[in-house]
Amino acid sequence: EVQLVESGGGLVQPGGSLSLSCAASGFTFSRNWMAWFRQAPGKGPEYMAKIKEDGSEEYYADSVRGRFTISRDNAKNSLYLHMNSLRAEDTAVYFCAKDGGWSLDYWGQGTLVTVSS
Amino acid sequence: EIVLTQSPGTLSLSPGERATLSCRARQSVRNNHLAWYQQKPGQTPRLLIYDASNRATGIPDRFSGSGSGTDFTLTISRLEPEDFAVYYCQQYGDIFGGGTKVEIK
Repeated sequence: EVQLVESGGGLVQPGGSLSLSCAASGFTFSRNWMAWFRQAPGKGPEYMAKIKEDGSEEYYADSVRGRFTISRDNAKNSLYLHMNSLRAEDTAVYFCAKDGGWSLDYWGQGTLVTVSS
Repeated sequence: EIVLTQSPGTLSLSPGERATLSCRARQSVRNNHLAWYQQKPGQTPRLLIYDASNRATGIPDRFSGSGSGTDFTLTISRLEPEDFAVYYCQQYGDIFGGGTKVEIK
């Protein structure tokens, strides 16, 4: 059974940093692109970043490029999102997702990030 | 700059009726890498259709996808009570459309 479990969310002040993790199991992690999305209350899902199977390519949404960094450790079956210069508008539930080939076939349950003073 | 435009914003229908949802892309979607998702309150998005017309594992055949280039359609042939939800289209596994809410009339 595919499982994706996010962790690392919490309350952070504007301008602060936070790192999220996603532990993957139930599939061959090293053979799949992976991605991060977020969803603010009452809004639709928003793409953040994605990373190639071997970590050699990364892509970002315009809204987070230069502030967020996606990475992975295939030996640990883990995906990461490091977030800098956080703003109030970054407040959302953050999800990791498995890319099944140009679509996301499995999602984690998410971790809440709140940016507030 | 809207990349994917979904219409209508809300669709009010009764169980048993047919639902037709539209997704229009600003530019042609190469290889029809367009997916559809269903999301219910408090749940994560569920993949329904990938590559425009392929049903994901376990998705009932009342859900179908069609289209190519810039115009795509999700059709639910006969709405079941559990189908009332928000539906999103997505291109290339990243950018989402704004969503269509299918509500009970």
